[in-house]
Amino acid sequence: SAVISQKPSRDICQRGTSLTIQCQVDSQVTMMFWYRQQPGQSLTLIATANQGSEATYESGFVIDKFPISRPNLTFSTLTVSNMSPEDSSIYLCSVGGTYEQYFGPGTRLTVT
Amino acid sequence: GQQVMQIPQYQHVQEGEDFTTYCNSSTTLSNIQWYKQRPGGHPVFLIQLVKSGEVKKQKRLTFQFGEAKKNSSLHITATQTTDVGTYFCAGPLTGNQFYFGTGTSLTVIP
Repeated sequence: SAVISQKPSRDICQRGTSLTIQCQVDSQVTMMFWYRQQPGQSLTLIATANQGSEATYESGFVIDKFPISRPNLTFSTLTVSNMSPEDSSIYLCSVGGTYEQYFGPGTRLTVT
Repeated sequence: GQQVMQIPQYQHVQEGEDFTTYCNSSTTLSNIQWYKQRPGGHPVFLIQLVKSGEVKKQKRLTFQFGEAKKNSSLHITATQTTDVGTYFCAGPLTGNQFYFGTGTSLTVIP
């Protein structure tokens, strides 16, 4: 299993600003995943972050809007840039292999 | 693209009643995973099914993978208030990436 922490747990931001979310894992992992969960909805994969290479983004998500860093095997950040109210969501990082995924507690973002 | 739909979207049951959620994929899946998300919480892994027709049990929970590996179900016997939450199935996109289903929100009325 893996223990994952995220910072901040929640934030209220003004439109047009950016927020960087941190994800820390208690063990070294190759892949880290970033998801978005809009209120009452399912999880949508934003991107996969590999250490030492560019993140891979899913359809509908672009690097300019959601830049990701992966400086080492236990840490990653996701930035939500130039925010609008439509970015209000829970952002979750996860790690895992083929068999199961472990999720962080999430960052609840509200954009006003 | 791949779609994973779940029905029903919402289910209210009296405590003690049974509950079933169904997961249907537009494509054949190599495996399927189930997660539970409590209100205000994050998804927690429950189980993975790999084989065609596989059935696995965890106490009051029974998971089944369809013969064609395009559908799955989760059945809870004699629900309890601790079963409240949203249940998601997830199928693999590629390798370690998973695509989550639409989810079924379960409310248990004491």
